[in-house]
Amino acid sequence: DSGVTQTPKHLITATGQRVTLRCSPRSGDLSVYWYQQSLDQGLQFLIQYYNGEERAKGNILERFSAQQFPDLHSELNLSSLELGDSALYFCASSVDGGPGYGYTFGSGTRLTVV
Amino acid sequence: TQLLEQSPQFLSIQEGENLTVYCNSSSVFSSLQWYRQEPGEGPVLLVTVVTGGEVKKLKRLTFQFGDARKDSSLHITAAQPGDTGLYLCAGNYDKVIFGPGTSLSVIP
Repeated sequence: DSGVTQTPKHLITATGQRVTLRCSPRSGDLSVYWYQQSLDQGLQFLIQYYNGEERAKGNILERFSAQQFPDLHSELNLSSLELGDSALYFCASSVDGGPGYGYTFGSGTRLTVV
Repeated sequence: TQLLEQSPQFLSIQEGENLTVYCNSSSVFSSLQWYRQEPGEGPVLLVTVVTGGEVKKLKRLTFQFGDARKDSSLHITAAQPGDTGLYLCAGNYDKVIFGPGTSLSVIP
């Protein structure tokens, strides 16, 4: 157990639908990162939050949004889902918002869009 | 665009053999991490290297950071089936960039 909790572990939904993925960071970590991993794209950075504020944006589609709540848990919302959104979605956390010393990853949510 | 390349993409070896995988970029990293990811799980941090020329050892794994901080290698001695997984390097600039990974399979 890494200390980063992601729910649900698996999600199957239809095209056009909306889903919410949830992440609780490791205790004491203020920063949360969301990544998408697919076979052809590898691990792609989506967005980072630090202590409730958006810190950095990566390749996140406009159909996707995220937020970090006062208790530091984060949610990633994916809407108007397409077949190509099927992937593993990982949340990671770190103590500070810097890239220096690595992240702790959760075990991911496997999203299948049918 | 900052890119990380990893080689080889796939590696299948027998238990007990040695191997080296590589991570390269045209850009200078401020630091670099290596992760191992098993199927269905998230990446697990193995090591962070910061100083050019730095060598770190973690049991049978040896990590080296290039002098110019543009490349890194991971050497595994006497590989075991438990070493099987996807090895990812992540280079730190002003943000973290992950390489595509080397998929290692160690056959008993």
